[in-house]
Amino acid sequence: QVQLVESGGGVVQPGRSLRLSCAASGFTFSNFSMHWVRQAPGKGLEWLAIISYDGGHDYYADSVKGRFTVSRDNSKNTLNLLMNSLRLEDTAVYYCARDRGHWLINNDYWGQGTLVTVSS
Amino acid sequence: EIVLTQSPATLSLSPGERATLSCRASQSVATYLAWYQQKPGQAPRLLIYDVSNRASGIPARFSGSGSGTDFTLTISSLEPEDFAVYYCQHRLNWPPVIFGQGTRLEIK
Repeated sequence: QVQLVESGGGVVQPGRSLRLSCAASGFTFSNFSMHWVRQAPGKGLEWLAIISYDGGHDYYADSVKGRFTVSRDNSKNTLNLLMNSLRLEDTAVYYCARDRGHWLINNDYWGQGTLVTVSS
Repeated sequence: EIVLTQSPATLSLSPGERATLSCRASQSVATYLAWYQQKPGQAPRLLIYDVSNRASGIPARFSGSGSGTDFTLTISSLEPEDFAVYYCQHRLNWPPVIFGQGTRLEIK
């Protein structure tokens, strides 16, 4: 069955960096675009980034553009999110999510999420 | 950027009742509208995509309708496990990908 497992969350100081990973299994990872979505405590869903099935194209929300970088390693079935210059408002649960296909945008499978807390 | 506004913010109903949740777009999103369910402490789950297509494993009591700017998620007869937060999402003119602010469906 499809599984997405995030890791790498934790407590980090403002201005520092953190790298999240998402291990995918149960499907042909290289056939699907992938997303990162976050949810601040008690808030709604915020889409962050998408990467194409081959890693050749990526797009970002304005709130993270220039600070966050999404990447993937199809040989290892892994999705990554490098977060630089972290801010207090980046505190959230971060989910990786599978695209329903390639650029179909809807997310048919989600990981359980990993909590990132930005605090001094 | 097309904004999605969900109403009501909170809906209080009893098991067995019919639930009607609304999502309004600031401009047309054609039929590119999806619905997600999120229970406390869990990841969201895709219910409906492209207005009315149920995702894999979603019960038939969930249905979607609408086009253009006005969309509805209907749960025909509420089960105890349906009480959750529901989000709409559109996939027109991305990035960014936009979610509505959510409707909380609570037990009356």
